[in-house]
Amino acid sequence: DIQMTQSPSTLSASVGDRVTITCRASQSIIDRLAWYQQKPGKAPKLLIYKASTLESGVPSRFSGSGSGTEFTLTISSLQPDDFATYYCQQWNNYWTFGQGTKVEIK
Amino acid sequence: EVQLVESGGGLIQPGGSLRLSCAVSGVTVSNNYVIWVRQAPGKGLEWVSIIYSGGNTYYPDSVKGRFTISRDNSKNTVFLQMNSLRTEDTAVYHCARVKYTGTYTSGALDIWGQGTMVTVSS
Repeated sequence: DIQMTQSPSTLSASVGDRVTITCRASQSIIDRLAWYQQKPGKAPKLLIYKASTLESGVPSRFSGSGSGTEFTLTISSLQPDDFATYYCQQWNNYWTFGQGTKVEIK
Repeated sequence: EVQLVESGGGLIQPGGSLRLSCAVSGVTVSNNYVIWVRQAPGKGLEWVSIIYSGGNTYYPDSVKGRFTISRDNSKNTVFLQMNSLRTEDTAVYHCARVKYTGTYTSGALDIWGQGTMVTVSS
């Protein structure tokens, strides 16, 4: 099984900050990685797929990069609507999610 | 607009069975991959089953032999039959559509239902 490890688990930031979340895979997943945003009581929302492709309708302040085993999600300028939990997910070998990164208000 | 709507959750005793439904609108379910993903209270996301457009099905070890995914093309609905339920199966169960880019099927999940809560408790 492929394990996905996100860091940090919690991130405190202010509106306007540049935020970076890291996701590491236990083995190479090429670029078969997606990022999701989830708010309490809601379903996850797809932000990025294939490591760096922005899903339609997602603001351009979100970006993804990486390949192989190390990936990052960057929010260039944090907005009030961005305080949420973020998950990475691989699909190179079935599906596995990271444990989540909660972005909270500093 | 593509929509997925889950139903069938509830309170069930350990060892019991439950069948969840995922009603799909806006696309033909037999042309899509549909996955079930669960989230235990306060925890992360875990996939529990998937059905491919061709009908192949897959499960993680945690539910293999207990859960069965199927679909009814005439109702455009996907089902999750859950048997021998355990307390650790308590979660919100979401169904989701696997994204098709127009040229290939990725493994990203682009459309999600709102989820249905399953509580396994005596």
